[in-house]
This record gives sequence, C-alpha cells and structure tokens, in this order.
Amino acid sequence: GENVEQHPSTLSVQEGDSAVIKCTYSDSASNYFPWYKQELGKRPQLIIDIRSNVGEKKDQRIAVTLNKTAKHFSLHITETQPEDSAVYFCAASPGDSSASKIIFGSGTRLSIRP
Amino acid sequence: DVKVTQSSRYLVKRTGEKVFLECVQDMDHENMFWYRQDPGLGLRLIYFSYDVKMKEKGDIPEGYSVSREKKERFSLILESASTNQTSMYLCASSPGGGRQPQHFGDGTRLSIL
Repeated sequence: GENVEQHPSTLSVQEGDSAVIKCTYSDSASNYFPWYKQELGKRPQLIIDIRSNVGEKKDQRIAVTLNKTAKHFSLHITETQPEDSAVYFCAASPGDSSASKIIFGSGTRLSIRP
Repeated sequence: DVKVTQSSRYLVKRTGEKVFLECVQDMDHENMFWYRQDPGLGLRLIYFSYDVKMKEKGDIPEGYSVSREKKERFSLILESASTNQTSMYLCASSPGGGRQPQHFGDGTRLSIL
C-alpha cells in the first residue's frame, strides 16, 4: 500500500525566513496531494492541494511543488509569520482508491522564532 | 461551510468497556473516515465508509468496528477498550468521486484507565 514519509519532524525558522517541508510517497499511481495545518488544540485544516497533472501551485505565501518522477512533493512557506507556527501534514491519495482515502505523513512541527 | 461534529471532546472510560464515538456531518458527503492521532505517528486511518452500510478497513482496524446506518452519521466502536487505545480520535468527511479534500471534526481525546 501507499507509504508517505515526511521530513523534518521539527523545524524552527526565524520570522520572515522561508520554511520547506518535504514528503516522499511510494505509490506511483497516487494522484492527489493535500497539505493540512493543525494549530495547537484544533482540527487539521486543508491549506493547499495539488493534483498529479500540475507541477506547482501557489497561494499567496504558500506553494507546493510535485515531482512525479522522483515521487516527492514539498511545501514552501515564504515570509513566515508567528501564526504559521503549527503542525503540518502532507498526504497522498492512492491511485486505486475511489473513496478519497488519503495516507498522511507523520507531521512537521514548525516553530517561528520572533 | 462544512461542519463535522464529534459527540465528545473528552471521554474517560475503563478497560473492558464498550465505547462509542459518534460523528455527524451536514454536507451530504459520501465518504466518512475515522483516524487516531498519536505524537510522532501522524494520522492513522482506522476505518472508512464510502456509502451507507459500506465500510472498509484502514491501516489499524484491530480492536475497532464501525457503523454507518445513515449517510450523515459514522460511529466508531471500541468493543472492549484497552489502555493502548488511549488517543485522540478524529472524524472526517469528503465528497465522493475521489481526489477531494477531507474536512475534520474537532476530535475526541479518549482516555482508557
């Protein structure tokens, strides 16, 4: 089955700098890659997603890149702000699933230093 | 806006008890999911359902069962609770058709004593 690995597990960056979180997946048929943000004590919420026919997607300070050949995708946050502090999860949807089943990475705890 | 509601935020039960966690969504979504979240392990899928009365095992179904009698409600059942089932449980829903984002509830923090 699909396996998603996420690195790093913790990341600390200076406010205003960029943060990058990387994920790899094993199922070459995976075709949907969402990213979720979970603030302390709150539910995970979708922040951006990308489908396999697109190599890059950007939404204000957040961008995601996808390399299908290498089976990896990354989240880029520019000009980080204190409210970016949270746990971020990448995920991949196996190609054989018709029920939007997704497999999550283990998460990255991002801390923004003032 | 999609609303996924879990019946309890905090729950304390004893080993051997039968435990029911309830989840309701109000967006007529076909798919519903139960995850458990543990530090360093991310979100692990327990069971999911793509239609009423239909269910499929996720990655860690042992010790759990589910019920979906109505489209809007998905229940997780711990048949005989054990201490290693102490965890945060998250319910989610999504529209049918594949490649759709999931919408999560606030979670139930379950402690088994």
